[in-house]
Amino acid sequence: SQTIHQWPATLVQPVGSPLSLECTVEGTSNPNLYWYRQAAGRGLQLLFYSVGIGQISSEVPQNLSASRPQDRQFILSSKKLLLSDSGFYLCAWSLWGSNEQFFGPGTRLTVL
Amino acid sequence: AQSVSQHNHHVILSEAASLELGCNYSYGGTVNLFWYVQYPGQHLQLLLKYFSGDPLVKGIKGFEAEFIKSKFSFNLRKPSVQWSDTAEYFCAVTFSGGYQKVTFGTGTKLQVIP
Repeated sequence: SQTIHQWPATLVQPVGSPLSLECTVEGTSNPNLYWYRQAAGRGLQLLFYSVGIGQISSEVPQNLSASRPQDRQFILSSKKLLLSDSGFYLCAWSLWGSNEQFFGPGTRLTVL
Repeated sequence: AQSVSQHNHHVILSEAASLELGCNYSYGGTVNLFWYVQYPGQHLQLLLKYFSGDPLVKGIKGFEAEFIKSKFSFNLRKPSVQWSDTAEYFCAVTFSGGYQKVTFGTGTKLQVIP
């Protein structure tokens, strides 16, 4: 069966520090991968998606970037965190050709 | 632009009450529709989905949703809620013509009082 992992589960970082959140999927090949940010009262905002290794599309301009160095690995990064980057970050995957997405446990990021 | 609206942000019900959560979208083309649920401390998970066919869709835990194309709606219902239904519920839509991008509503927090 397929599983999705995210780490760390929680993270507290100072403003201006770098960020790296990792997401990996097991049990499937060539998944579509997604990064969302969930903010209270604002639902899930799609940040990035990827349909293959090295292929990244950004949905909103922001202080973050994403990379997909391997088929089942998706990384969310920032060179310098802002206070506004605080939030709950969710990784998700879907089978190619399917709209149903499966979500990871999320990372709670607090920028101080 | 395509969008998804959930007008109920916070709903409080007593156990055994009936539930209906609204979801509307703005798009005239083909859509796929989903309801996701996030129980406290748990992953976001799929509750039910509609792709085609019977517009009345039944999901897990006694939930159902009805797709009304003329109203651009996909409301979630349950005849009798339980305390364990306390969670946040998200409506989501995929719009035709793109990749598998899912647009989520802002979510509805449901609190069921024993």
